Amino acid sequence: GAVVSQHPSRVICKSGTSVKIECRSLDFQATTMFWYRQFPKQSLMLMATSNEGSKATYEQGVEKDKFLINHASLTLSTLTVTSAHPEDSSFYICSARDAQGFYGYTFGSGTRLTVV
Amino acid sequence: KQEVTQIPAALSVPEGENLVLNCSFTDSAIYNLQWFRQDPGKGLTSLLLIQSSQREQTSGRLNASLDKSSGRSTLYIAASQPGDSATYLCAVDNNAGNMLTFGGGTRLMVKP
Repeated sequence: GAVVSQHPSRVICKSGTSVKIECRSLDFQATTMFWYRQFPKQSLMLMATSNEGSKATYEQGVEKDKFLINHASLTLSTLTVTSAHPEDSSFYICSARDAQGFYGYTFGSGTRLTVV
Repeated sequence: KQEVTQIPAALSVPEGENLVLNCSFTDSAIYNLQWFRQDPGKGLTSLLLIQSSQREQTSGRLNASLDKSSGRSTLYIAASQPGDSATYLCAVDNNAGNMLTFGGGTRLMVKP
C-alpha cells in the first residue's frame, strides 16, 4: 500500500526560529500533497495544497509567508514555519494521493510543534 | 459546496457489540469515499476506500457501504474491541486528486 513518511514527529523550538517539516511519499509519486493543521479535539483544517514544481495554493486566512511550502520533487514536500510563535504550536499533518487514486489519500503520522 | 456530516459525534459501547457509524454527504457526484481512523496525537490511518462505482468494501471486522444516490455511507464494526477506541472520520473526494472534504468525526469508546 501507499506510505507517507513525515518527520519530525515532535519538535520544540524557541520563539522566533524556523522549523521545517518533511513529508515524503515512499512508494508512489505524488504530484499533489496537502498540509493540514489540527488543534486539540478539533477537525483537520486544510492549510495549503502543494503542487510539484509550482507554487502552493493556500487556503483563506493562512499566511503564505509564515508557512512556506516547497514541493521540489514528486516524492517530497516541505512545510517551513517561519519566525514561529507560541500560537503556531499545533499538530501538523501532511497527506498525498497517488495519481490513479488507487489507494485514495494517505496521511503522514503528524508533527507536534511546540513553540516556547 | 460538498458538506459531510457524521452521526453520532460520540459513541460509547461495551466490548463485543456490533456498531454502525453513519456518514452523509450533500453532493452525490463523488470520486470516492474514504474512512479513516485517528488515535489521539496521531495521524490518520486509512481503513477503507470505496470508489464511486462500488457499493461496499470489507476489511476484517470492518465493512463500509456506499449509496451515492442517497448520499450516505456507513461503517460497520463487528465485535468491537477496546483497541477500536479512536475517532473515525469519513472523507469524500469530489474531484479526483484535488482535496478531501471531512466529516466532523465520531469519537468511539469501547469499554472492556
